[in-house]
Amino acid sequence: ETGVTQSPTHLIKTRGQQVTLRCSSQSGHNTVSWYQQALGQGPQFIFQYYREEENGRGNFPPRFSGLQFPNYSSELNVNALELDDSALYLCASSLEPGTGINGYTFGSGTRLTVV
Amino acid sequence: AQRVTQPEKLLSVFKGAPVELKCNYSYSGSPELFWYVQYSRQRLQLLLRHISRESIKGFTADLNKGETSFHLKKPFAQEEDSAMYYCALNTPAAGNKLTFGGGTRVLVKP
Repeated sequence: ETGVTQSPTHLIKTRGQQVTLRCSSQSGHNTVSWYQQALGQGPQFIFQYYREEENGRGNFPPRFSGLQFPNYSSELNVNALELDDSALYLCASSLEPGTGINGYTFGSGTRLTVV
Repeated sequence: AQRVTQPEKLLSVFKGAPVELKCNYSYSGSPELFWYVQYSRQRLQLLLRHISRESIKGFTADLNKGETSFHLKKPFAQEEDSAMYYCALNTPAAGNKLTFGGGTRVLVKP
């Protein structure tokens, strides 16, 4: 598998619960970024991980946190889920923190529904 | 703060007609601009980037720093061009993030 894979594809959670989303980056990519895409909107940057360290963060509260592992796969954790967290969560990997000349490679996303 | 605006939510054109998707950005630094496309039931994928000045699937986009625009054009639209298109601005000096516009849905009618 050379592309970006995300799991699970769909998830339903109750308000107040916690959720963990997973992403395997494309082979050879050391940088992973996470985006939230609400219905009818463009993706919004959550944060980026480069070599296991956070390397940039968007305007999301601290209850959104992440991890990157030595194999460059990554997790997005969201605590105390709110209804507005319902969205498609996209993972994107790249060769380096900047997009370089090849841009980002996106996964298919995880659809999170909070009820 | 950086921002990307795509003023059209939906563009409907007939096959063979020209299509232009507008994108305006605001960013005080040197911009890196991209167009991403999402076909039905497929993942978001890179269409083209301004630094390479290439033409992909007949689409071109020119960066106009004076007008802060990066409009996407194709002289003769095809039905397979029907998709969601996103303009994106990369800002390595401001958090290494891609800032996306709201997207434009293109519908090419036969």
